[in-house]
Amino acid sequence: RKEVEQDPGPFNVPEGATVAFNCTYSNSASQSFFWYRQDCRKEPKLLMSVYSSGNEDGRFTAQLNRASQYISLLIRDSKLSDSATYLCVVNMVGYSTLTFGKGTMLLVSP
Amino acid sequence: NAGVTQTPKFQVLKTGQSMTLQCAQDMNHNSMYWYRQDPGMGLRLIYYSASEGTTDKGEVPNGYNVSRLNKREFSLRLESAAPSQTSVYFCASSAGVGSGANVLTFGAGSRLTVL
Repeated sequence: RKEVEQDPGPFNVPEGATVAFNCTYSNSASQSFFWYRQDCRKEPKLLMSVYSSGNEDGRFTAQLNRASQYISLLIRDSKLSDSATYLCVVNMVGYSTLTFGKGTMLLVSP
Repeated sequence: NAGVTQTPKFQVLKTGQSMTLQCAQDMNHNSMYWYRQDPGMGLRLIYYSASEGTTDKGEVPNGYNVSRLNKREFSLRLESAAPSQTSVYFCASSAGVGSGANVLTFGAGSRLTVL
C-alpha cells in the first residue's frame, strides 16, 4: 500500500514567522519527491522538487531524509500570500503515477 | 498559455443523470489524468492515460468511464451520477508516466454537485 502522510494542520502563524512541515512516506524505494502548493479553490501547482542534498528557493527550503523516510518544507519570514495548502508528493518505484499526501494547511495572519 | 483546460467549471446534476467532463491540453504531453478532491481525502486518482490509446484505472474508478480521444483530449464520463460523486474534479497532464510524471500541470477544476 502506498502512503504519504502529512499533518493536516491548520498551522496558524503570524507574518514573519518560520514554519516547518513534515511528511513521511512508506515506500523506501521511492525515487522522487516534491512539494506542491494549492491555494484555496484553485488547482495544485508545483512549488519545488526535493533533492537528496536539500535545496533552497528563496524563503523555502526542502530537505529529504531517506533513512527516516521523511521530507520537510521550511518557510522563513512567512507572508500573507503563503497561506495555502502544501501537498507532499512522492514518485514511488513501481507506480506509474504520483502519490499525494492529503496536504497541510497554512494560515498566515497579520 | 492555456495549459490544461477543463469544462465545465461548475455543474449541478440530479441523481441518475449523466454528464461528461472535458479536458484538453496544449503542451504536447503524453499522459493525462483525472483526479477528484474531497475534504479530508486529498487528491485521489480516478483514471489515467499513459499515452494516446491507453487508459488505466486509478484508486477510485468505480462509477466513471474515460476516453482518450486524441493526444490532446481526455474526457471523464459519469453514466449515472450519485451524491457520492459530488466533488471537485481536476484534470492534469504530464510528459509521461513514471519519472515523466514528476511535474503535473493541472486544470482549474470542475465543481460537481449531485443532488
